Amino acid sequence: DADVTQTPRNRITKTGKRIMLECSQTKGHDRMYWYRQDPGLGLRLIYYSFDVKDINKGEISDGYSVSRQAQAKFSLSLESAIPNQTALYFCATSETDSRRKGAFFGQGTRLTVV
Amino acid sequence: DAKTTQPNSMESNEEEPVHLPCNHSTISGTDYIHWYRQLPSQGPEYVIHGLTSNVNNRMASLAIAEDRKSSTLILHRATLRDAAVYYCILRRNAGNMLTFGGGTRLMVKP
Repeated sequence: DADVTQTPRNRITKTGKRIMLECSQTKGHDRMYWYRQDPGLGLRLIYYSFDVKDINKGEISDGYSVSRQAQAKFSLSLESAIPNQTALYFCATSETDSRRKGAFFGQGTRLTVV
Repeated sequence: DAKTTQPNSMESNEEEPVHLPCNHSTISGTDYIHWYRQLPSQGPEYVIHGLTSNVNNRMASLAIAEDRKSSTLILHRATLRDAAVYYCILRRNAGNMLTFGGGTRLMVKP
């Protein structure tokens, strides 16, 4: 099993619909992140969580919300999807002091909003 | 995070060494230098990191300049599977995020 699992892997939804992307990890890491990647561009941080009771906005949080249900689970919601939220979404985890260790990424969720 | 500068793209021949440069002139004394790569249609993958000394692991080597204002990721023998976007990132402290720039797209020719 993968260390970081994202579901679904692909999703097509209509404008205005609410959609949730889920992420679960088996690494035992406290820190979890959601990133968005647009074609040909780098990753941009949406939200991050340093533990179950901690939620923080990243650089592009507008239109998104998150829930940290447990140490191992971090969900990203689009309350009312719009076409410019069509992108590849990645979840990641890291240890508390991640300077000395790498972060782990999921395989991504490809979301299309029509 | 401090800024890093990488070439947009590089080409290499298969089975030849590849040197991927990264400039980070505003690096501070406690910044760790991390490298990740992203294969097509996959999530980023950790490659290597270092602070001051050169580092080797099974994937690559990291050469850090003496003044730490630049570093080079070295793939000793490029394979077609090494074709990816390589990201150089500075990790400033325990509380900061992993911030990605544009990276270098490495193309490997057979």
